[in-house]
Amino acid sequence: QVQLVQSGAEVKKPGSSVKVSCKASGGTFTKYAFNWVRQAPGQGLEWMGNFIPVYGTANFAQKLQDRLTLTADESTITAYMELTSLRSEDTAVYFCASPMDIVTSGLRQFDLWGRGTLVTVSS
Amino acid sequence: DIVMTQSPLSLPVTPGEPASISCRSGQSLLHTNGYNYLDWYLQKPGQSPHLLIYLGSNRASGVPDRFSGSGSGTNFTLEISAVEAEDVGVYYCMQSLQTHPTFGQGTKVEIK
Repeated sequence: QVQLVQSGAEVKKPGSSVKVSCKASGGTFTKYAFNWVRQAPGQGLEWMGNFIPVYGTANFAQKLQDRLTLTADESTITAYMELTSLRSEDTAVYFCASPMDIVTSGLRQFDLWGRGTLVTVSS
Repeated sequence: DIVMTQSPLSLPVTPGEPASISCRSGQSLLHTNGYNYLDWYLQKPGQSPHLLIYLGSNRASGVPDRFSGSGSGTNFTLEISAVEAEDVGVYYCMQSLQTHPTFGQGTKVEIK
C-alpha cells in the first residue's frame, strides 16, 4: 500500500517561510494529484491547493494564492508546499492528500493522506 | 466556492444504535455525467482523515458496510446502521465538483 510520508514539525517566526515535503512511497508520479489541506488547532479542514504532475499545473485557494507555492519532483515522487509571509493564523497541521490514481479516482478524491506536519508560527 | 453545511455539529450516539449526519451544498453537486461529487471523510482522534464514501454513495476500500451514503443534488446523508465505539471522531463532507474543493464544518460523533 502506497503511503505519503511528510516532513517533520517546524517552528517559524512571523514573516518567514516554511517548506513541507510529502513523499510517495511508490507508484507512478503522473498518477498522483498532490493536494494540500490544513487544520488549525481545534478547527476543521481547509483545502489549500494542489499540484497535478501529469499537467504540471497548480491550483490555489484564493486566500492563499499570493503566498503559496506548490511543486513536485518526479525523480523522488515528492511534493512540496511552501508558504511565505507566515503569520500566527498559519499555525496548523498541514496534510498532503492524493487520489491513488487520477485515472480511476479523479483529481480530488483523497484516497491517500499523509500523517500531517505541524507548523507553529510564533515570535 | 461552494459552501457546505453539516448538521448536527455534535452527535452523541449509543453503541448499536443508528446515526445520521446531514450535509447540504450551496449548489448542486450533480454532474452531467450522473455522478454526485460529494465525499465523506472520517478523522479519528489524533489521526489524519480517511475516505469513507466517494461520489455520494460508494464505500471506499475497507470501509465497513454499516456506513452508507445517499442523496443527490444539494442534500446528502451519511448513515451508520449500528454505531460501534471505533466510529468516534469528526465526520466531514466535501464537495469535489469544483476545482477548489470545500469541506463542511465537521460533525463530532462521540459515545454517550
